[in-house]
Amino acid sequence: AQKVTQTQTSISVVEKTTVTMDCVYETRDSSYFLFWYKQTASGEIVFLIRQDSYKKENATVGHYSLNFQKPKSSIGLIITATQIEDSAVYFCAMRDSNYQLIWGSGTKLIIKP
Amino acid sequence: EAAVTQSPRNKVTVTGGNVTLSCRQTNSHNYMYWYRQDTGHGLRLIHYSYGAGNLQIGDVPDGYKATRTTQEDFFLLLELASPSQTSLYFCASSDGGVSNERLFFGHGTKLSVL
Repeated sequence: AQKVTQTQTSISVVEKTTVTMDCVYETRDSSYFLFWYKQTASGEIVFLIRQDSYKKENATVGHYSLNFQKPKSSIGLIITATQIEDSAVYFCAMRDSNYQLIWGSGTKLIIKP
Repeated sequence: EAAVTQSPRNKVTVTGGNVTLSCRQTNSHNYMYWYRQDTGHGLRLIHYSYGAGNLQIGDVPDGYKATRTTQEDFFLLLELASPSQTSLYFCASSDGGVSNERLFFGHGTKLSVL
């Protein structure tokens, strides 16, 4: 069965540093898609970045990048030069041949000044 | 940018009450979804639809009905609300239902069942 696991419930870092959030997944499919979403304090959920399983290059969007380790079924989110506004809950999600998104339980990121 | 609007933003009802949550998207997306979010569970799919008149069952459908009346409008119905349905509900939409499509979310409806 498909599963997405985020073991870090909360992370706290100092502003302007780099943070990595972990996510591991389970699927039997050879082709699948991995997503990261951000939920702000207001509750808004927005898409951040996506990794296609057949691509070897790690996806990068702005100061977000992914560390895709396919043999380990791992898709870490890296945020460089963190800002106070990056404080949020980050969700990892996977979509495979069933087409529906399977969500992790989220990691709360706290950026301290 | 896709727009998904949910109403109401907050709702309080009593056990056994009848509740309808509304969602409208204005970008002609084919797929619409209803999720609930509870602490420790992330987002769980209740129902989804790939067009007007269509309804698909999600992962946690018990106690919920849904109806897609138009391309734009998707409703979630709780006909006999229970305290276990106290949650934050999100509507989302996507175009085409293709695997790599991202979702656009509404701002959520906080439902309390007393």
